[in-house]
Amino acid sequence: QQQVRQSPQSLTVWEGETAILNCSYENSAFDYFPWYQQFPGEGPALLIAIRSVSDKKEDGRFTIFFNKREKKLSLHITDSQPGDSATYFCAASAKGGQGGSAKLIFGEGTKLTVSS
Amino acid sequence: GPKVLQIPSHQIIDMGQMVTLNCDPVSNHLYFYWYKQILGQQMEFLVNFYNGKVMEKSKLFKDQFSVERPDGSYFTLKIQPTALEDSAVYFCASSFLGGDTLYFGAGTRLSVL
Repeated sequence: QQQVRQSPQSLTVWEGETAILNCSYENSAFDYFPWYQQFPGEGPALLIAIRSVSDKKEDGRFTIFFNKREKKLSLHITDSQPGDSATYFCAASAKGGQGGSAKLIFGEGTKLTVSS
Repeated sequence: GPKVLQIPSHQIIDMGQMVTLNCDPVSNHLYFYWYKQILGQQMEFLVNFYNGKVMEKSKLFKDQFSVERPDGSYFTLKIQPTALEDSAVYFCASSFLGGDTLYFGAGTRLSVL
């Protein structure tokens, strides 16, 4: 059972355009949604995150839009740069895990290519 | 930012042998995790560890898997014996608080022949 889904699987945009990456989830208990960026040969690194009490989180060129009712969120990357080319993973977790630990559930990822 | 170190970066091993993957988490972090990623696919949760104990594990965390962090040293994932399907990249992560940001290492690529 796939609890976190992402689309599209891959996305190509031109430099300067806005890339939109989509994510949906099934578990209503999820309340924390980080996006991780992963370059080939490296581990994922936290890019930006949102909690379910908010509907928008902005950090520079990166913005998360969150719709709790529809269980959907999206990551918008404005003014895309070739250096943004990477795989982006949407993840989710619920508070109150065993011992307070956060088990992050990852989506399948979106491979973004920014062409110049 | 905070660094999680994983040693080695690549391990090649014959099926049936034992392997230990090492992780040096961020120094003041209290929660530790292992994830498995098959090439090009999503990260899959294996196990998390706190206060010397496994808190939660997934179905992927088979009986042949074990984790420990003796005396605050490396956080290790041991597989004994290894199977072909264990070939993957294994990522270690740590966090200060349970619901906090996870910091990942660069991964250990395990190839079981």
